[in-house]
Amino acid sequence: QLQLQESGPGLVKPSETLSLTCTVSGDSISSSSYYWGWIRQPPGKGLEWIGSIYYGGSTYYNSSLKSRVTISVDTSKNQFSLKLTSVTAADTAVYYCARQGSGWYQHWGQGALVTVSS
Amino acid sequence: SYELTQPLSVSVALGQTARITCGGNNIGSKNVHWYQQRPGQAPVLVIYRDTNRPSGIPERFSGSNSGNTATLTISGAQAGDEADYYCQVWDSSPLFGGGTKLTVL
Repeated sequence: QLQLQESGPGLVKPSETLSLTCTVSGDSISSSSYYWGWIRQPPGKGLEWIGSIYYGGSTYYNSSLKSRVTISVDTSKNQFSLKLTSVTAADTAVYYCARQGSGWYQHWGQGALVTVSS
Repeated sequence: SYELTQPLSVSVALGQTARITCGGNNIGSKNVHWYQQRPGQAPVLVIYRDTNRPSGIPERFSGSNSGNTATLTISGAQAGDEADYYCQVWDSSPLFGGGTKLTVL
């Protein structure tokens, strides 16, 4: 059974870098033909796609965040990661990792709340 | 840029049929996916590619898509269906609607 689990600091200071890792179990990132994505949800608001990565390393990002986002993959650990630089309070959100099928997300992590505050 | 429009809220009496719409320019030409999100939980895919239900999703959930409107229909709404619902399409990249809060009265 496929499971995804986000991990990382729950509190980040303004102007610093948010870093999260998604650990995948029940499937190999490198053996499946899926993209793996990050999606966030500010408190009380809707879902916003951040970006996605293929196991080979190809990525694409939300144009509104592209200048601050890096998504990478570590196939040896069956993980993929998110880095978001120069964070502000507006980046406070629950961050989800998910497996991207043919345009949709069937498998999601439970989410990780990241608060940006000094 | 493409935009998806959902009503902020929809109410339905217990056991009745709820319809949640997702509007977009010629959305009928796109594949629409729907997610249910209960408070404090991750989203759950309930419909993909307009009309398809993933395994484990009750038959009460169905979808349609034509013209400028896609619709998620929940027949015989139950108290457990009370949640936020999001539509999603692919427009160069994934795009979510703003979400609809379904209240079961």
